[in-house]
Amino acid sequence: GESVGLHLPTLSVQEGDNSIINCAYSNSASDYFIWYKQESGKGPQFIIDIRSNMDKRQGQRVTVLLNKTVKHLSLQIAATQPGDSAVYFCAESFSGGYNKLIFGAGTRLAVHP
Amino acid sequence: DTGVSQDPRHKITKRGQNVTFRCDPISEHNRLYWYRQTLGQGPEFLTYFQNEAQLEKSRLLSDRFSAERPKGSFSTLEIQRTEQGDSAMYLCASSLDPGRTLNGYTFGSGTRLTVV
Repeated sequence: GESVGLHLPTLSVQEGDNSIINCAYSNSASDYFIWYKQESGKGPQFIIDIRSNMDKRQGQRVTVLLNKTVKHLSLQIAATQPGDSAVYFCAESFSGGYNKLIFGAGTRLAVHP
Repeated sequence: DTGVSQDPRHKITKRGQNVTFRCDPISEHNRLYWYRQTLGQGPEFLTYFQNEAQLEKSRLLSDRFSAERPKGSFSTLEIQRTEQGDSAMYLCASSLDPGRTLNGYTFGSGTRLTVV
């Protein structure tokens, strides 16, 4: 069935280093991919999205890469800060439907000083 | 309007009791979604409303679950005869239709349900 999964459940990085969080998806019909950040006790917070007709999109300190050939999505965070510590989810959606999001299990990012 | 509001934030109930949660979306958003999230997992889609119409329901939404959005604004999610397996975070989200991006897809902070 449709699924979105993550390669690493936990990622530990030093403050100031770059972080890369990876995600695999399985539904070829998905045309929107989104990264969310979730802090303890809070709902998912939108970080960045990318449409399937793009392979790269940049935001402030974040870059999302999409490789449709291997159905792979990554989130790069530059100069990781302690405030980036959270659980990160990738999600996929099909815009021709109702924008139902299909989430993966999440990766916990721990930033150490 | 500061975002999507959910009430209560926490609910502890005894098995077999009924519970009801409320979601107030961003006022101009006509799409409203309910998700369920268990510890360590990503949110799972439950149901979707466009205005007051419930247009999609997940197979996860058993007969004990019912959601309404009577006036196309706030929504309620009721769980009847709660079971321990219902313990989870229940998240509400809203967005605009038709969004060309999902940037406006905003989640609330959720209602954490514990069934004892």
